[in-house]
Amino acid sequence: AQTVTQSQPEMSVQEAETVTLSCTYDTSESDYYLFWYKQPPSRQMILVIRQEAYKQQNATENRFSVNFQKAAKSFSLKISDSQLGDAAMYFCAYHGNEKLTFGTGTRLTIIP
Amino acid sequence: DADVTQTPRNRITKTGKRIMLECSQTKGHDRMYWYRQDPGLGLRLIYYSFDVKDINKGEISDGYSVSRQAQAKFSLSLESAIPNQTALYFCATSDPRKGQQETQYFGPGTRLLVL
Repeated sequence: AQTVTQSQPEMSVQEAETVTLSCTYDTSESDYYLFWYKQPPSRQMILVIRQEAYKQQNATENRFSVNFQKAAKSFSLKISDSQLGDAAMYFCAYHGNEKLTFGTGTRLTIIP
Repeated sequence: DADVTQTPRNRITKTGKRIMLECSQTKGHDRMYWYRQDPGLGLRLIYYSFDVKDINKGEISDGYSVSRQAQAKFSLSLESAIPNQTALYFCATSDPRKGQQETQYFGPGTRLLVL
């Protein structure tokens, strides 16, 4: 079974600075997808970014980018120019064998 | 209007009661899912359905049942609620087309408290 590990239960960053959230996963598959979801206090699950494992190029969405290291099974999220609205729980997720497996989340606090 | 809706948004019930959580979607997706979120545990899959005639158990299906009434509707039932089913429940959908099926879109969640 696939597992997803987020080793940082909490992180904080100064407004306008850059922060990186870590995620590692375990799989024996070669074809899969990885995601970061954001859950603000409204509790809505919002898709932040998606990465296909067969693509070497790291995905980018505006201020959000990933560092995908397939051999190391690592998938970190970098948030640049952090804003107050970025405060949320962030979940890393792995999609393989028709299922989505989530990590336990990292709570990100933005310091004004 | 939201693409994926869940009703009710909040519910308090008593141990032993039967309760149904409903999910509707206007995205036209065939695939629908029910997840449960507990503090510190992330989201875990309860049931999923790839079309109206296809229902599959997920990681934690004991104590739950589902009904796929139509392509757009997927209901989750707790036949006899117990306190450890207190959680936040999410419905999600995905497009079955290759290259799209991996991305899931979530409803706003239902917070359930079982006393």
